[in-house]
Amino acid sequence: ELQLLESGGGLVQPGGSLRLSCAASGFTLSSYAMNWVRQAPGMGLEWVSSIRAGIGTTYYADSVKGRFTVSRDSAENTLYLQMNSLRADDTAVYYCAKGRGGWSTPGNRYFDSWGRGTLVTVSA
Amino acid sequence: EIVLTQSPGTLSLSPGERATLSCRASQSFRSTYLAWYQQKPGQAPRLLIYDASSRATGIPDRFSGSGSGTDFTLTISGLEPEDFAVYYCQQYGSSPPITFGQGTRLEIK
Repeated sequence: ELQLLESGGGLVQPGGSLRLSCAASGFTLSSYAMNWVRQAPGMGLEWVSSIRAGIGTTYYADSVKGRFTVSRDSAENTLYLQMNSLRADDTAVYYCAKGRGGWSTPGNRYFDSWGRGTLVTVSA
Repeated sequence: EIVLTQSPGTLSLSPGERATLSCRASQSFRSTYLAWYQQKPGQAPRLLIYDASSRATGIPDRFSGSGSGTDFTLTISGLEPEDFAVYYCQQYGSSPPITFGQGTRLEIK
């Protein structure tokens, strides 16, 4: 059974760093585009970042570019999101989501499975 | 960046009624690369519809999607109690960035 399990969230001060993990099971993570999506309290969904299957090209929303880095570990079958220079408006539940395909075909860039999310709170 | 605007913000209906949710794009994007997701309180989003009109695995046939260009619709015929939730549209035809609508809350009247 396919499963995504996020971890690593918590309370961090403004300007601090945090690394989120998303452990995948039931499929080979590096064979699919993997994505991070966040949801601020009471708000809608915001795409954060994607990493392409295979070659691992990365993509970021303008709001996190230069501060967040997405990566993966094929041996661990785990996706990561390194978040630096955190701000109050980064406070959100962060979900990892599996892409339908590898990213090369635009028609496969929707998200067919989601984890349960991990809460990141940025506050002094 | 393509902006998606969903309407109405909140829709109040009774079980058994038909729900029509709209998603309008700020510009036309490639093909019909639009998805719909359902989210219940405290849960992750769940894929309902992809490519504007294809139902995801396990989604009941009372859910249907339509549209192209800039105007898309999610229809739920014969609302069940478990259908009351928030619904988001997402475009992936002009990405990155992938963008979502702000959501429509479907509540019990």
